[in-house]
Amino acid sequence: GAVVSQHPSRVICKSGTSVKIECRSLDFQATTMFWYRQFPKQSLMLMATSNEGSKATYEQGVEKDKFLINHASLTLSTLTVTSAHPEDSSFYICSAGTRLETQYFGPGTRLLVL
Amino acid sequence: GENVEQHPSTLSVQEGDSAVIKCTYSDSASNYFPWYKQELGKRPQLIIDIRSNVGEKKDQRIAVTLNKTAKHFSLHITETQPEDSAVYFCAARNTGTASKLTFGTGTRLQVML
Repeated sequence: GAVVSQHPSRVICKSGTSVKIECRSLDFQATTMFWYRQFPKQSLMLMATSNEGSKATYEQGVEKDKFLINHASLTLSTLTVTSAHPEDSSFYICSAGTRLETQYFGPGTRLLVL
Repeated sequence: GENVEQHPSTLSVQEGDSAVIKCTYSDSASNYFPWYKQELGKRPQLIIDIRSNVGEKKDQRIAVTLNKTAKHFSLHITETQPEDSAVYFCAARNTGTASKLTFGTGTRLQVML
């Protein structure tokens, strides 16, 4: 149990385009989903907390208009990187949490902006 | 907010030896402490966790200890094997912060043959 999927696993796009990443909890209902960003050889940096049916809570320094988060159901959250630029290239990982606290991570999406 | 420090940043051990990774946290209200293992290019995987009402927890070769007074917790891996080589992250969470985890900076463990 506790499987989280993420799609796509890898995406290459041109500068200025928008990219949508999906995060799904496959066998449980996630009351909360989290979006992280990870640069090579660095730790996980929380970008935002997504609660079903309400607005996401963004961490300090993360632009909400740049990284749009939608959590339309208890099993799906999406992150859209708008007007992507090369500095947005990174490994984006979602996690899904339950009321029992444990977070389960998706496999990640490697974004490369040319 | 919570701040988690993790040491060492890299750790090399011989196969069969033990490995210890230490973390400290700043928020005394934190009450949940998971450890994640991340292999290169893969997702972090939960390997063990401990709650603040427990001082120690063990699962086969892996154990975690928690000292609430000192606000530090440690991961112990015994009889290390090459497949234990990975990056390990500790994290801390306060139930009052919507399940948000604060991660340590990671420890790259290399188990040498």
